[in-house]
Amino acid sequence: EVQLVESGGGLVQPGGSLRLSCAASGFTFSSYEMNWVRQAPGKGLEWVSYISSSGSTIYYADSVKGRFTISRDNAKNSLYLQMNSLRAEDTAVYYCARQAERIAAAGDFDYWGQGTLVTVSS
Amino acid sequence: QSVLTQPPSASGTPGQRVTISCSGSSSNIGSNTVNWYQQLPGTAPKLLIYSNNQRPSGVPDRFSGSKSGTSASLAISGLQSEDEADYYCAAWDDSLNGHWVFGGGTKLTVL
Repeated sequence: EVQLVESGGGLVQPGGSLRLSCAASGFTFSSYEMNWVRQAPGKGLEWVSYISSSGSTIYYADSVKGRFTISRDNAKNSLYLQMNSLRAEDTAVYYCARQAERIAAAGDFDYWGQGTLVTVSS
Repeated sequence: QSVLTQPPSASGTPGQRVTISCSGSSSNIGSNTVNWYQQLPGTAPKLLIYSNNQRPSGVPDRFSGSKSGTSASLAISGLQSEDEADYYCAAWDDSLNGHWVFGGGTKLTVL
């Protein structure tokens, strides 16, 4: 059974840092591209970052570029999101999502974790 | 302001057919496939439709997707109370080195 379990969320002051983790199990983690998606309270989904299966290709949303860093450790079946210079508008539930590879398509997020809440407030 | 445009709300009675639209541009829907996600209250999103019109295993055939040009639609037939949820469309966008974009979401109410 595919499982994605996020951790590391919590309350942090503006300007602070936090590192989120996503532990994967039930599939060959090193074969899959991964993403972080967030959802502010009462708002819609916002894509945050993408990392290829090897970690060699990375993309960020403009809203987090230069402040967030995505990484992965395939030996540990884990995905990470280092978040620096946090702002109030970064307050959200952060989900890790596996990206399925589809023929002649960009892919999709076929499995999601349960999410971890990050609250940025003084 | 979301890159993909969805109506904020939709509604229907049990048994009815409802459709939810998703409008984009040439750099996203116009050149890539569309995915749909269902988010039940208090839960993580779930993949509902991928590659415009494909259903993952376990998704009832009451749910269907289509795409034409720079727009896409999700149709739900035989509406049931458990379909009450938020629905999001998404697509890869080829602009700005590439990134995923979502619609703002549509809250479906079953009357």
